Amino acid sequence: GEDVEQSLFLSVREGDSSVINCTYTDSSSTYLYWYKQEPGAGLQLLTYIFSNMDMKQDQRLTVLLNKKDKHLSLRIADTQTGDSAIYFCAESGNNQGGKLIFGQGTELSVKP
Amino acid sequence: DAGVTQSPTHLIKTRGQHVTLRCSPISGHKSVSWYQQVLGQGPQFIFQYYEKEERGRGNFPDRFSARQFPNYSSELNVNALLLGDSALYLCASSWGTPNEKLFFGSGTQLSVL
Repeated sequence: GEDVEQSLFLSVREGDSSVINCTYTDSSSTYLYWYKQEPGAGLQLLTYIFSNMDMKQDQRLTVLLNKKDKHLSLRIADTQTGDSAIYFCAESGNNQGGKLIFGQGTELSVKP
Repeated sequence: DAGVTQSPTHLIKTRGQHVTLRCSPISGHKSVSWYQQVLGQGPQFIFQYYEKEERGRGNFPDRFSARQFPNYSSELNVNALLLGDSALYLCASSWGTPNEKLFFGSGTQLSVL
């Protein structure tokens, strides 16, 4: 079945790198996404990666994909207090446009 | 350009009542998807509509229904509300093609007492 798992909490110091990990089960997923949710807000698309890529870099964000192990990670360089939020990993599943399978979310806390 | 807009932002209902939530997609987008996010969980897919037709449905009871209008805006209706329906309801807008990016609104926070 479809399932996405993430660790629930991560705490880092300002200026350090943060790495948020995710595992998924649906090997047919074409795209994998990272969304950010701040308190009381909706979801903001941060970045995404196509399943035939190993890595994607976008400014402070680096996404690594290990398709063999179905493991996805998001690295945030030089983490700032404004990065404190909940981060969701999502997979596109079996090419079903509009339907994403989300993990539970990882709460990132950045301490000054 | 305006993003995805949802109304109302907050709503309080009692058990057994009915609720209607509204969503306007990004201009040019033809698809709207609805998600339910219970506190502490990731969003769960409820429906997708494309060109006024239901394209996908998640594992939700028949008390949940939706429709899409000619201007591509959408309504989500929930009948016979239960306490467990308390959640943030998110609307996502997209072009309607497979494996595409979804753009989310800020959601409607529904509390059922």
